[in-house]
Amino acid sequence: GAGVSQSPSNKVTEKGKDVELRCDPISGHTALYWYRQSLGQGLEFLIYFQGNSAPDKSGLPSDRFSAERTGGSVSTLTIQRTQQEDSAVYLCASSSTSGNLNEQYFGPGTRLTVT
Amino acid sequence: DAKTTQPTSMDCAEGRAANLPCNHSTISGNEYVYWYRQIHSQGPQYIIHGLKNNETNEMASLIITEDRKSSTLILPHATLRDTAVYYCIVRALTGGGNKLTFGTGTQLKVEL
Repeated sequence: GAGVSQSPSNKVTEKGKDVELRCDPISGHTALYWYRQSLGQGLEFLIYFQGNSAPDKSGLPSDRFSAERTGGSVSTLTIQRTQQEDSAVYLCASSSTSGNLNEQYFGPGTRLTVT
Repeated sequence: DAKTTQPTSMDCAEGRAANLPCNHSTISGNEYVYWYRQIHSQGPQYIIHGLKNNETNEMASLIITEDRKSSTLILPHATLRDTAVYYCIVRALTGGGNKLTFGTGTQLKVEL
């Protein structure tokens, strides 16, 4: 079956521009996560959506970062006024429940480069 | 969450067993040991998890010491496709929304 998809796969943008990254989770998955992985670094949690509950935004690094999940499915991560330190791979994951870590399925990521 | 310590890198010959260690000396009683891996240019992939008993699935085996302060992930017959960064994490199943946090993991290189 179809896995988690993300678009674009690569994005190069100039410093100061806004970018939108898209995530299509596995159909029927109620939980959706955004993570960031900088070069040579581990995984950094950004934001978590679970059903109709208020999202857990505790990992967003600044107010330039925001995310939406429309209709409980597709999610968009928006970065405003991008900075060079925003350059990273942005990963999306979805799961059918929030109760088991082994159910998080990851997409291939979007590699963002801010010049 | 308890912190884990893993070697930065390891090499393994194809067809041999790859044994990846992880130290988690501050693990709490309700925390599980989870292993993920990340092949280059792909998202992380779940491998296996356990609480205190050894576990085995189609991908790997997980050996947890009796005091739970360390564990070893075993890939019984490593192939070139197992070349990846392997992450060991420990956390409870409840609370925190199950958000994952990885360190830098172990870069396993499987060679001919």
